[in-house]
Amino acid sequence: DAKTTQPTSMDCAEGRAANLPCNHSTISGNEYVYWYRQIHSQGPQYIIHGLKNNETNEMASLIITEDRKSSTLILPHATLRDTAVYYCIVRTSKGKSNTGNQFYFGTGTSLTVIP
Amino acid sequence: GAVVSQHPSWVICKSGTSVKIECRSLDFQATTMFWYRQFPKQSLMLMATSNEGSKATYEQGVEKDKFLINHASLTLSTLTVTSAHPEDSSFYICSVLAGGQETQYFGPGTRLLVL
Repeated sequence: DAKTTQPTSMDCAEGRAANLPCNHSTISGNEYVYWYRQIHSQGPQYIIHGLKNNETNEMASLIITEDRKSSTLILPHATLRDTAVYYCIVRTSKGKSNTGNQFYFGTGTSLTVIP
Repeated sequence: GAVVSQHPSWVICKSGTSVKIECRSLDFQATTMFWYRQFPKQSLMLMATSNEGSKATYEQGVEKDKFLINHASLTLSTLTVTSAHPEDSSFYICSVLAGGQETQYFGPGTRLLVL
């Protein structure tokens, strides 16, 4: 089962920063937070992940609270092509296969970038 | 990240037939791959974890005799939907575990329609 909760939908004006929140209050100490996005009828695209520290790459920034119970994905300058469903996922440390690494997707946030 | 392909991208079949979907890791030797299913307007649901050279581990509620998984090499995993029925119509997506065994990279998906 997914260990995250996200708002169902959000709008963002083109060119502005999009801040997508995620709650993961039951996260364990060695579990990573991952963000993916899925554009309609495509496979999910990896965005970023982190454990404790804030992370930044060419796509986005990930801000993780000190208690690790929530995080925020920031798209600094949203474009129309950023319209997608964004998934926040906690990677299990020990899954059914006993090797961990399983992803259990929640419902995600449908982000619409408005011109 | 790893480049993942799926074949076919879409397939239409008659009820009762079997359909094989291939997932290939094009630039990475993947010891672990995953198979997901996604129904319209829903999130991805993990079906099974596929480990090279061993039996797949299925999630609860997924019939292993209906969804046959073969991970015979480090670059190929196949999912066979046996005796497909209309309720099996869905978007099937695979992923490979890469990036130091930390990150999943997804294929483009295969859309199955069973008539």
